[in-house]
Amino acid sequence: NAGVTQTPKFQVLKTGQSMTLQCAQDMNHNSMYWYRQDPGMGLRLIYYSASEGTTDKGEVPNGYNVSRLNKREFSLRLESAAPSQTSVYFCASSDGGRDTQYFGPGTRLTVL
Amino acid sequence: GENVEQHPSTLSVQEGDSAVIKCTYSDSASNYFPWYKQELGKRPQLIIDIRSNVGEKKDQRIAVTLNKTAKHFSLHITETQPEDSAVYFCAARTEAAGNKLTFGGGTRVLVKP
Repeated sequence: NAGVTQTPKFQVLKTGQSMTLQCAQDMNHNSMYWYRQDPGMGLRLIYYSASEGTTDKGEVPNGYNVSRLNKREFSLRLESAAPSQTSVYFCASSDGGRDTQYFGPGTRLTVL
Repeated sequence: GENVEQHPSTLSVQEGDSAVIKCTYSDSASNYFPWYKQELGKRPQLIIDIRSNVGEKKDQRIAVTLNKTAKHFSLHITETQPEDSAVYFCAARTEAAGNKLTFGGGTRVLVKP
């Protein structure tokens, strides 16, 4: 099993550009999450999907949209990137939201 | 919503000594408290967790204690080794809040040989 995978690993954008971060899991988990990690700020939840077909805002949703494409895939979209969105983005999944969250390898995004 | 505070932000210990990291949480309904270890450039990985019906849990050199009355929980690492050097995050989860995890700000642990 690959676990949780994310693409791309690195990305540089210019202010105003858009992009989609991809996440997939092969553990048949119901719940999936997107976090951003900034120095000294820990991990902050952007959006999550408790189950296929549902999405909810987390702590810092502004400037982002998500799509739960199917049970395996959960994408994060930046419609108009801003320098404040420079961060490392982690996707995670868990079984029904009751157990351990497993993290992907992360995407390091720089917005110039 | 839930707020989790973690202390200290950095911790330097001599190899073989113990390390203790403390977290406090605000929501008395929180019932699940995992600890994650993140090595430089890597993803966070669960190292131990505790649920609200348990006061202490141990796994080899790692232990976690929970004080529900005071709303704080701690990670204890004994006989530290250089490979314990990493950033450690605590988190709390409240079922009523959709089972979301709220993370502390992290503790950078450096074990000096």
